[in-house]
Amino acid sequence: AQTVTQSQPEMSVQEAETVTLSCTYDTSESDYYLFWYKQPPSRQMILVIRQEAYKQQNATENRFSVNFQKAAKSFSLKISDSQLGDAAMYFCAPGLMNAGGTSYGKLTFGQGTILTVHP
Amino acid sequence: DTGVSQDPRHKITKRGQNVTFRCDPISEHNRLYWYRQTLGQGPEFLTYFQNEAQLEKSRLLSDRFSAERPKGSFSTLEIQRTEQGDSAMYLCASSLFREEAFFGQGTRLTVV
Repeated sequence: AQTVTQSQPEMSVQEAETVTLSCTYDTSESDYYLFWYKQPPSRQMILVIRQEAYKQQNATENRFSVNFQKAAKSFSLKISDSQLGDAAMYFCAPGLMNAGGTSYGKLTFGQGTILTVHP
Repeated sequence: DTGVSQDPRHKITKRGQNVTFRCDPISEHNRLYWYRQTLGQGPEFLTYFQNEAQLEKSRLLSDRFSAERPKGSFSTLEIQRTEQGDSAMYLCASSLFREEAFFGQGTRLTVV
């Protein structure tokens, strides 16, 4: 079984500044994906960034980047040049791969971090 | 294709009634998932389909819950004899092999 901990229930950042959201997880699997999803108020869940656990290089996607520490089971999200549209609930979510190497996308979500962006 | 769509968006029902939700995944996606999300919490996995086969069900999915994906396209989630504890957002997502899941906007269920 997997567990996911997002220790920051709420974070705030000034527009154009940088913020880091933390996530730790526990899994017995050796191969998996890690995702950060964003859920704006009353809007659907949107993928922000994805990291394959076998890759040592940290994923980046425009203003979003991760710091993936596999041994420590830590997966933080850094948002640079924060924008008002970044305000949302952010979820960290590991995804399993079974022994056959088939990802079936069963995600275990953390409790979420509410990000507020101040103008 | 406009993404994953769910119907209805909102449902209010009386305790004890049956409800059914529909999910239409992205057309080429063969994997479909149902999650439940309560207010202020992360989604919890309920069940997963690969094509028409239901491959896994969470312990959260009691006997009152049933999900189908009869032709490997759309899926339905039925809750029988609803209880107040069933009030939640029910999310559907779909994906391709080794690709991320795309979520619908969810169906918000309120049991009164």
